[in-house]
Amino acid sequence: AAGVIQSPRHLIKEKRETATLKCYPIPRHDTVYWYQQGPGQDPQFLISFYEKMQSDKGSIPDRFSAQQFSDYHSELNMSSLELGDSALYFCASSARRAKNIQYFGAGTRLSVL
Amino acid sequence: RKEVEQDPGPFNVPEGATVAFNCTYSNSASQSFFWYRQDCRKEPKLLMSVYSSGNEDGRFTAQLNRASQYISLLIRDSKLSDSATYLCVVMGNTDKLIFGTGTRLQVFP
Repeated sequence: AAGVIQSPRHLIKEKRETATLKCYPIPRHDTVYWYQQGPGQDPQFLISFYEKMQSDKGSIPDRFSAQQFSDYHSELNMSSLELGDSALYFCASSARRAKNIQYFGAGTRLSVL
Repeated sequence: RKEVEQDPGPFNVPEGATVAFNCTYSNSASQSFFWYRQDCRKEPKLLMSVYSSGNEDGRFTAQLNRASQYISLLIRDSKLSDSATYLCVVMGNTDKLIFGTGTRLQVFP
């Protein structure tokens, strides 16, 4: 079965650069979530979208923005990168009618040097 | 204080052992409860949802006590492949998942 696809899998950037992470949800899933997991930490919710509208917002820095497109894929844009942004970024998707079951992608490992 | 608390472990157990993990959550409005499993540097994978009536999936049994705001996971007949971090997860009246810090399990031969 198709899973959540994230790209790229690995990304290396320098401080103050920008990065764009992409997420393709499971087919027919209409809700996308972004989580950040720092080294040795648990995943922290950043933001979610349902039907291209932001549905919830967590501890997402103002330097980050995200959107969901008409094909339900989502992008997380990160600007003015800081060393502390180095983390695993997971995208999850769910079907609204079963919103409590979230399936995670393999993640993007971002390293800021 | 974290919203979801777990003993970080590690729990080192021999193959075939029974091991239990516990978790407490602070928000009484939490509505859905899960155990996820995470292998090193990989994505969290849903192990099972947790219900007040208790539920079992093979060697895994989960239990929820809403009055005590307490969630448990029991693993029977541990396998080497069970070695992972087990994340206790709750969801409130919004979509976001709130993770505990995870309990690390290491099963040895």
